[in-house]
Amino acid sequence: GAVVSQHPSRVICKSGTSVKIECRSLDFQATTMFWYRQFPKQSLMLMATSNEGSKATYEQGVEKDKFLINHASLTLSTLTVTSAHPEDSSFYICSARDAQGSNQPQHFGDGTRLSIL
Amino acid sequence: GQNIDQPTEMTATEGAIVQINCTYQTSGFNGLFWYQQHAGEAPTFLSYNVLDGLEEKGRFSSFLSRSKGYSYLLLKELQMKDSASYLCAPSTPGNMLTFGGGTRLMVKP
Repeated sequence: GAVVSQHPSRVICKSGTSVKIECRSLDFQATTMFWYRQFPKQSLMLMATSNEGSKATYEQGVEKDKFLINHASLTLSTLTVTSAHPEDSSFYICSARDAQGSNQPQHFGDGTRLSIL
Repeated sequence: GQNIDQPTEMTATEGAIVQINCTYQTSGFNGLFWYQQHAGEAPTFLSYNVLDGLEEKGRFSSFLSRSKGYSYLLLKELQMKDSASYLCAPSTPGNMLTFGGGTRLMVKP
């Protein structure tokens, strides 16, 4: 079964709306979660690393004030796309890694398809 | 910086064997993951190599040569459902994954 749950799976909303996406690790604790974005037929691009109890680390070119990340517990990280515009339309995917043990794979959520009209 | 090179597309026949190669250059190395991604879906974990050699897992096997910065994914007894993108993802310290463009595999009857 799924070890990482991501909601919602699809969002369609008007330009200027803020959208919140949740990522939960279901049966393990994740001190670190990752947020990716994927445009059609392109590779996964890491947006930011979400760290439990501290500030997220953003990749170059990703606006931290636009993509707000909160990692309030060991099983939940949220990504809020603030004042979304059509160019933010994309497939957003989170991943999490079990904090216990080394060399654990990142497990991905099912992704959120965001469409801004 | 990070650099990953794998073929963009491959085509193979149902029941056959296909090998997807990947070369990589990373700043630090903590193992290499292979993921499968069907169109419109999130990636799913296939395999992980940290030591040189072959790891076998059912119909899928993955090989790593750290000194050469080279890995391959071997798929045997291909099925139509294996049509997907296959992502080679080296892991760097801090367990950061870097994804290339992936290899789009098309399995034909």
